[in-house]
Amino acid sequence: GAVVSQHPSRVICKSGTSVKIECRSLDFQATTMFWYRQFPKQSLMLMATSNEGSKATYEQGVEKDKFLINHASLTLSTLTVTSAHPEDSSFYICSARGPETEAFFGQGTRLTVV
Amino acid sequence: AQSVTQLGSHVSVSEGALVLLRCNYSSSVPPYLFWYVQYPNQGLQLLLKYTTGATLVKGINGFEAEFKKSETSFHLTKPSAHMSDAAEYFCAVTTTGTASKLTFGTGTRLQVTL
Repeated sequence: GAVVSQHPSRVICKSGTSVKIECRSLDFQATTMFWYRQFPKQSLMLMATSNEGSKATYEQGVEKDKFLINHASLTLSTLTVTSAHPEDSSFYICSARGPETEAFFGQGTRLTVV
Repeated sequence: AQSVTQLGSHVSVSEGALVLLRCNYSSSVPPYLFWYVQYPNQGLQLLLKYTTGATLVKGINGFEAEFKKSETSFHLTKPSAHMSDAAEYFCAVTTTGTASKLTFGTGTRLQVTL
């Protein structure tokens, strides 16, 4: 199957700093990427959907100024958590799909804000 | 609107026993249904999916699921559990076949004992 690479797999940052998470489709063109957040022992909650070259569409309750999503190319989307706080600590997962493909998931990024 | 209910947050089976993970869905239009597996600190891997056609779907690692419209169910089964099957399993629904904007269930943690 197609490969989606997410980096970093783990990151620890200080409160108030910003963190960038990358999601790359390695062998297909990802016209749409999705960003999910997963709390411990809970399901995945969709944060936003981004189409290449367009602004991301955020789900209700997700702060777009805090979670900046950029999808500037067909193989790369980034999620930047700005001014991170301990409550932003979570597991973040991206998925990517092409025009006629199903969605493939990245390995996830565990963010810890101290 | 669509939703997924997974009955049983934890399921424990003996190695070699039948695995049954339950999933019921709600959708106002014909659904597309997916089962994903997640190992600790990793992303999601697609086990199988139902889009159209045959209602009994076979997936990877010996898993299969049957779409039953009358029962609005898509239960996941495996005839004989293996220790390596221990993981978190998520049922998901969408209204498009390419897994856009998935709605996930709360997950079922499968434990396999000797």
